[in-house]
Amino acid sequence: QKEVEQDPGPLSVPEGAIVSLNCTYSNSAFQYFMWYRQYSRKGPELLMYTYSSGNKEDGRFTAQVDKSSKYISLFIRDSQPSDSATYLCAMSTLGGNYGQNFVFGPGTRLSVLP
Amino acid sequence: DSGVTQTPKHLITATGQRVTLRCSPRSGDLSVYWYQQSLDQGLQFLIQYYNGEERAKGNILERFSAQQFPDLHSELNLSSLELGDSALYFCASSVGGVSPPDTQYFGPGTRLTVL
Repeated sequence: QKEVEQDPGPLSVPEGAIVSLNCTYSNSAFQYFMWYRQYSRKGPELLMYTYSSGNKEDGRFTAQVDKSSKYISLFIRDSQPSDSATYLCAMSTLGGNYGQNFVFGPGTRLSVLP
Repeated sequence: DSGVTQTPKHLITATGQRVTLRCSPRSGDLSVYWYQQSLDQGLQFLIQYYNGEERAKGNILERFSAQQFPDLHSELNLSSLELGDSALYFCASSVGGVSPPDTQYFGPGTRLTVL
């Protein structure tokens, strides 16, 4: 079993739809949870960052973490064609001297159709 | 543009060879991270440096090594290259030395092709 599992998609939705992206993980030592967006041929870009169970909202994006179920989600409201990208979940543990060891999910490719 | 630069953009080499990838972090960032992204393995964290010192190690092969220099630029050295090392290599930088969240900014990547 991989440490972080994510449905690779592709996921196609019409413009304006609510998108739900999910990851599960097996390592209970993960303390920090992130969502990145990666456009084709570009580096990943951080969207959301959280370290506690519950919801965190930022504009059209909501990140949800359930540590008891080892499950995280990203919701995108009113999706736009510009949201078409690959979405990567990531998790990290915090080591000594602020070292962070990151594990990424394989990514979900999202297409928002106009 | 994230402010992180990576050179070269593309690199084509043969099996058994050695290459060096270079990364310049954003101005003011002390922490540098290296990642490998391939189709079958996804994005893999390799190693983190902070102000010249190694801080965290991920799935970095023994054939690979990295360092961060006093001017804070970093180099990733890949030796005895194999076909399976063909991938996109990303560098990211962050302020570092602070409690999370410490936002990482990714460079455009170096595409390595091993023939």
